[in-house]
Amino acid sequence: DTAVSQTPKYLVTQMGNDKSIKCEQNLGHDTMYWYKQDSKKFLKIMFSYNNKELIINETVPNRFSPKSPDKAHLNLHINSLELGDSAVYFCASSPLSGSGSTDTQYFGPGTRLTVL
Amino acid sequence: QKEVEQDPGPLSVPEGAIVSLNCTYSNSAFQYFMWYRQYSRKGPELLMYTYSSGNKEDGRFTAQVDKSSKYISLFIRDSQPSDSATYLCAMGYSGGSNYKLTFGKGTLLTVNP
Repeated sequence: DTAVSQTPKYLVTQMGNDKSIKCEQNLGHDTMYWYKQDSKKFLKIMFSYNNKELIINETVPNRFSPKSPDKAHLNLHINSLELGDSAVYFCASSPLSGSGSTDTQYFGPGTRLTVL
Repeated sequence: QKEVEQDPGPLSVPEGAIVSLNCTYSNSAFQYFMWYRQYSRKGPELLMYTYSSGNKEDGRFTAQVDKSSKYISLFIRDSQPSDSATYLCAMGYSGGSNYKLTFGKGTLLTVNP
């Protein structure tokens, strides 16, 4: 009964390649997120979608493109991978349904991306 | 000044010790406060959630919020080796279209048997 799942768990690739990471949540949540956690464990938000609509887009290179085919899925496509993209990428979801709601987020297990 | 400051540690304590983890913040708009626990090579999991100033207790864990000082704490009583993990504070506010949480950098805790 995995709540938030991500694939793949590990991804090793060469610089310059294009890769995708997939995320699915079965919690019925309205909002999904992508976070990047660097080697120092700092967790930084990249994107947020609410009901398939992009609502947060932090300062992220446009090589990163999120796509939400439906509110249970949020994928992350990365073009022209660079060494600095090596990190753990976490997907999260929250039940947020509108203003005034709390923002308790539930995280997936992470995708460890290594760019060689 | 960063929005959320957290001492990264590492913090090493003997089993049974009382652990105190802290975060300070600068944004007075933050309304709710959370503590996440992250085991090595796993995703963060929600440990405690508080909305107002004061204390909230859950088993061996107590979360404390002081909005006037912009300071939050997590206390762990009778710490166990299984508590060894990175603890991340997170805070946010509701309303409008900005639903994001801001995380501290995390404190690495090791409880030695």
